[in-house]
Amino acid sequence: NAGVTQTPKFQVLKTGQSMTLQCAQDMNHEYMSWYRQDPGMGLRLIHYSVGAGITDQGEVPNGYNVSRSTTEDFPLRLLSAAPSQTSVYFCASRTSPGTGLYEQYFGPGTRLTVT
Amino acid sequence: ELKVEQNPLFLSMQEGKNYTIYCNYSTTSDRLYWYRQDPGKSLESLFVLLSNGAVKQEGRLMASLDTKARLSTLHITAAVHDLSATYFCAVTPQGGSEKLVFGKGTKLTVNP
Repeated sequence: NAGVTQTPKFQVLKTGQSMTLQCAQDMNHEYMSWYRQDPGMGLRLIHYSVGAGITDQGEVPNGYNVSRSTTEDFPLRLLSAAPSQTSVYFCASRTSPGTGLYEQYFGPGTRLTVT
Repeated sequence: ELKVEQNPLFLSMQEGKNYTIYCNYSTTSDRLYWYRQDPGKSLESLFVLLSNGAVKQEGRLMASLDTKARLSTLHITAAVHDLSATYFCAVTPQGGSEKLVFGKGTKLTVNP
């Protein structure tokens, strides 16, 4: 199992550009989430999904879109990049309730700089 | 709104000493997580605590949960340099929400 994978590892964007951060997991997890990590702020939830076709907003959703067409993939789209979106982005996944397993697995992260 | 506070935010300690990191949260919770993060790396899961009085131990780290006080502790016993990292607690609000809320992290430095 590769676990949770993210691409790219690093990205530099100009203000106003759009891009998609990719996230995939091969553990057949239903729950997937996107977080951003800023210095001194811990991690903050952007969007999450409890299964294919179902997404919801987290704490800081503005400027980001998500969709979940398959169980494996959960891409995060930046619509019009702003310097305030400079951050490290982590994708995570876990099994659904009822399994008795609550472990969250995090991907390696994407470091994004917006100039 | 669920808020999670960790203290201290920075901790410098000598090898061989004991210390405790505290995690307070503001509303009732379903689960509490502890994670470790090394510089430039992802988060590594340490513990998941589900119920009042839960205690889990792994090596020199022991985590406990008091849901009545809304407090979790991460106790470090006889610290070694390899434990230097940032430690995060994270909480899910009660009711089955997946909205995991993180504390700001405790940066631990263990000096020889």
